[in-house]
Amino acid sequence: DAGVIQSPRHEVTEMGQEVTLRCKPISGHNSLFWYRQTMMRGLELLIYFNNNVPIDDSGMPEDRFSAKMPNASFSTLKIQPSEPRDSAVYFCASSPRDFPQVSFGPGTRLTVT
Amino acid sequence: AQSVTQLGSHVSVSEGALVLLRCNYSSSVPPYLFWYVQYPNQGLQLLLKYTSAATLVKGINGFEAEFKKSETSFHLTKPSAHMSDAAEYFCAVSTPTSGTYKYIFGTGTRLKVLA
Repeated sequence: DAGVIQSPRHEVTEMGQEVTLRCKPISGHNSLFWYRQTMMRGLELLIYFNNNVPIDDSGMPEDRFSAKMPNASFSTLKIQPSEPRDSAVYFCASSPRDFPQVSFGPGTRLTVT
Repeated sequence: AQSVTQLGSHVSVSEGALVLLRCNYSSSVPPYLFWYVQYPNQGLQLLLKYTSAATLVKGINGFEAEFKKSETSFHLTKPSAHMSDAAEYFCAVSTPTSGTYKYIFGTGTRLKVLA
């Protein structure tokens, strides 16, 4: 299995620009999670989906952040407009239906200047 | 609500010494518990997990953890540290919710191994 795939691996953008992060979960996994990791706040759960439906987005920091999962094999996390304080590593993770175990992607390192 | 507390954001041990990383959890229902490891510039990898079977769980790379309900703890140990164990370690708790599982992570403990 290829594991969770994220793109891009690195993104550098200027303040005010739109940023879109992409994720392909492990085939057959029915839940998908977006996390943000920073030195100050550690690993924060932003939003998660079950069967492509958003279950809990209470971790999304602001309305500038949005996430979609149009099908079982693809999800996006969008930031519009981006700000320097959004700089972080963003992880996508997925887990199967039948037992609790979450698998992480390699992350996208976002730098907003 | 679930939560995880990891005591000590940084731990240093000598090579060959015992590794002990502490994790306490809070959960209103019986939890599933996990330890993940993160090497620099990489994602998180599963070390071990507790899913209500044996309370002493063995994982990869010689690590193990013991679930103690009375203490609400799930500390990670390794008898003898190796230089390659230097990494950041995350404890996580999960409970069923809305047909899936929600995973909450602690703030992490960075392990340094001294030669």
